[in-house]
Amino acid sequence: GAVVSQHPSRVICKSGTSVKIECRSLDFQATTMFWYRQFPKQSLMLMATSNEGSKATYEQGVEKDKFLINHASLTLSTLTVTSAHPEDSSFYICSAREQAGNEKLFFGSGTQLSVL
Amino acid sequence: DAKTTQPPSMDCAEGRAANLPCNHSTISGNEYVYWYRQIHSQGPQYIIHGLKNNETNEMASLIITEDRKSSTLILPHATLRDTAVYYCIVRVGNNDMRFGAGTRLTVKP
Repeated sequence: GAVVSQHPSRVICKSGTSVKIECRSLDFQATTMFWYRQFPKQSLMLMATSNEGSKATYEQGVEKDKFLINHASLTLSTLTVTSAHPEDSSFYICSAREQAGNEKLFFGSGTQLSVL
Repeated sequence: DAKTTQPPSMDCAEGRAANLPCNHSTISGNEYVYWYRQIHSQGPQYIIHGLKNNETNEMASLIITEDRKSSTLILPHATLRDTAVYYCIVRVGNNDMRFGAGTRLTVKP
């Protein structure tokens, strides 16, 4: 099946710093990528949808200025957590969909963010 | 997208079939049923999906009732590595994917 690579797998940062997470589709072109957040013992929560070359669409309650999403190419989307605080500590997961018409989503392996 | 209801947890003996149920009574005609699983601290893994016919692949079988209001994921010979949270999701093909609470399956030796 298709492969989605997410990097880094784990990051620890100080409060107030920014962290960038990369999501790459390795063997297909992803016109749409999705970003999720997962707190311990909870399900995945959709944060935003990003389409290549256009602005991301954020879910209600997700601050677009805090979680910057860039989808500049068909194989790369980035999520930047700006001015991170301890409450932003979470497991972040990306997923990607091939060009329109494909029904499956492929998921990255996730990034565990710990903000001290 | 239609909501789904799954039992919060299930146990299964190693080597036996694991049957995971899912109710989706408000599913509409163009919504597919998808199953994903998530092993601890990893991203979700695609298992199988279907519209109205039963489906089988190398991982599992998906049985969808004739009225499409419920489905069952079958892992024919569960192993310890199948211990995970299993998510049943219904969605129209190109929409985003939203996860419910899922079923935590524990395979016991």
